[in-house]
Amino acid sequence: DQQVKQNSPSLSVQEGRISILNCDYTNSMFDYFLWYKKYPAEGPTFLISISSIKDKNEDGRFTVFLNKSAKHLSLHIVPSQPGDSAVYFCASILDTGRRALTFGSGTRLQVQP
Amino acid sequence: GAVVSQHPSWVICKSGTSVKIECRSLDFQATTMFWYRQFPKQSLMLMATSNEGSKATYEQGVEKDKFLINHASLTLSTLTVTSAHPEDSSFYICSARSSGIGYEQYFGPGTRLTVT
Repeated sequence: DQQVKQNSPSLSVQEGRISILNCDYTNSMFDYFLWYKKYPAEGPTFLISISSIKDKNEDGRFTVFLNKSAKHLSLHIVPSQPGDSAVYFCASILDTGRRALTFGSGTRLQVQP
Repeated sequence: GAVVSQHPSWVICKSGTSVKIECRSLDFQATTMFWYRQFPKQSLMLMATSNEGSKATYEQGVEKDKFLINHASLTLSTLTVTSAHPEDSSFYICSARSSGIGYEQYFGPGTRLTVT
């Protein structure tokens, strides 16, 4: 049973517009979330994270929003650039002891020039 | 900083042989390393957690005798796929985290294993 879900397998946006990637989770014990970007045949690259004590974290063009009551988080990319085209995974900590991550299934973002 | 390397990046082996994949943290000491595998168009699935100097913890359904993990130093973990079969063909990715309080993991570039 997947505890972190990304229901949109793909998203296409125009260059310069906002990209919004969504993620839902089922385990209310999750208290730390991360977003990773992945190109084909490469390892994921850490983008941004958020702790459950916050509802927003911003880093340059990337902002992550967390809605704990809805068990939902989203990644906003503004403005979107063609180089942002990749697969984006949200992840949470599987257990605080080992700090292993559990990943969503990913959303493929395509930014059209 | 926080660079993780993997070697080899791509390997083809014959069925029944063993393959070793190395994961190194280049600029930090990794008390914990994780091994994931990813099938095409699927998410990363955690295989095992490797702590320096102790036995690895395997996820349910992962055969520990088939996927041997050694974490002999704070900068190196190895995954050996023993008696490989075509169904073991996958993309194997390691990650590492330091001993700090943060949860961020830093991933290697991955190893594409093809078993013929």
